[in-house]
Amino acid sequence: KAGVTQTPRYLIKTRGQQVTLSCSPISGHRSVSWYQQTPGQGLQFLFEYFSETQRNKGNFPGRFSGRQFSNSRSEMNVSTLELGDSALYLCASSRAGGLREQYFGPGTRLTVT
Amino acid sequence: QQQVKQSPQSLIVQKGGISIINCAYENTAFDYFPWYQQFPGKGPALLIAIRPDVSEKKEGRFTISFNKSAKQFSLHIMDSQPGDSATYFCAAEGTGGTSYGKLTFGQGTILTVHP
Repeated sequence: KAGVTQTPRYLIKTRGQQVTLSCSPISGHRSVSWYQQTPGQGLQFLFEYFSETQRNKGNFPGRFSGRQFSNSRSEMNVSTLELGDSALYLCASSRAGGLREQYFGPGTRLTVT
Repeated sequence: QQQVKQSPQSLIVQKGGISIINCAYENTAFDYFPWYQQFPGKGPALLIAIRPDVSEKKEGRFTISFNKSAKQFSLHIMDSQPGDSATYFCAAEGTGGTSYGKLTFGQGTILTVHP
């Protein structure tokens, strides 16, 4: 069974631009969570989607948004990029319905210059 | 109250030794505690997880010990191998509401196993 896939793997953007990252969960998984990983702040939860609905959101500004499609694939968008948004963005999928195990993709490395 | 504190930040162990990483949490609503292993350039990989109704869980060389009253849990890696050299993260998750899909992570432990 294929794992979680994320595209693109690497991205370089300029301050003020916006970016969209994509995540395809493991087949049969309906929940997708997004995390930001930085050396200073570690792994921080961004938001979680289930059945196209955002059920939970972390403490990030409104510039960070996401959505989930009917096939459970998810995208996250960051608008008006800042230097501090440079990070590894990870998505994780789980079956939901009481099964808590989250499986991570390889991440998208975003560099903002 | 959402924090998970992990120690040590780094750990050096000889091949064949036991690696021990500790985590402590404050939020008593946490009821699921996974450990992840991350290699450079990769996403975190789920190693083993435990729920508060058991005090220990073992899978191969990896064991989680859980102390509910102390709000602490630890990962033991027996017979540590150079291939175990990676960053290890503990995490915690609560149930329902604002906990949906939200893992709260410790700061990570860089493990180095010398041959």
